[in-house]
Amino acid sequence: DAGVIQSPRHEVTEMGQEVTLRCKPISGHNSLFWYRQTMMRGLELLIYFNNNVPIDDSGMPEDRFSAKMPNASFSTLKIQPSEPRDSAVYFCASSLDRSGYTFGSGTRLTVV
Amino acid sequence: GESVGLHLPTLSVQEGDNSIINCAYSNSASDYFIWYKQESGKGPQFIIDIRSNMDKRQGQRVTVLLNKTVKHLSLQIAATQPGDSAVYFCAESGGQAGTALIFGKGTTLSVSS
Repeated sequence: DAGVIQSPRHEVTEMGQEVTLRCKPISGHNSLFWYRQTMMRGLELLIYFNNNVPIDDSGMPEDRFSAKMPNASFSTLKIQPSEPRDSAVYFCASSLDRSGYTFGSGTRLTVV
Repeated sequence: GESVGLHLPTLSVQEGDNSIINCAYSNSASDYFIWYKQESGKGPQFIIDIRSNMDKRQGQRVTVLLNKTVKHLSLQIAATQPGDSAVYFCAESGGQAGTALIFGKGTTLSVSS
């Protein structure tokens, strides 16, 4: 199993640009989670999906953030427009119900 | 609010010692707990989990203890090795969190040889 696959691994973009982060969960998993990690705030849950349906997006910081899961094998997290304070490592994780939680390697986003 | 926290931000031990990392959680409805290890530049890696119907679970060199009375979780690492140096997170699930994991801020374990 290839695990949870995230792309890109690193992204550097200018303030105001649109950023799209991608995630491929483990095949067969039915839940997908997006987290953001910073030194100050640790690992924060942004949004999660069950069976491709968004369940809780209360962690999404602003309307500039949006996430989609068009099918069971793909999800995106989009930031538009990006700001320097969005700089962080973004992790995607997947699980089968409440077991097998597995994280991807993350996308390190730098907004300059 | 609901949160998962750790008692100590850093822990330094000598190689071969046993390490104990603690975690306090506040959501009494949480019924599933996981310990993760995160090395620099990598995603969190599963170490061991425990459900609320248990108070102890053992793995290879690791033991997790759960005390629901005082809402306390601990991770014990036996014969700590330099490769155990990392940040350790506890995470909880259940109740209002649903299937999501809510993480504490982490404890940095440093192992010197």
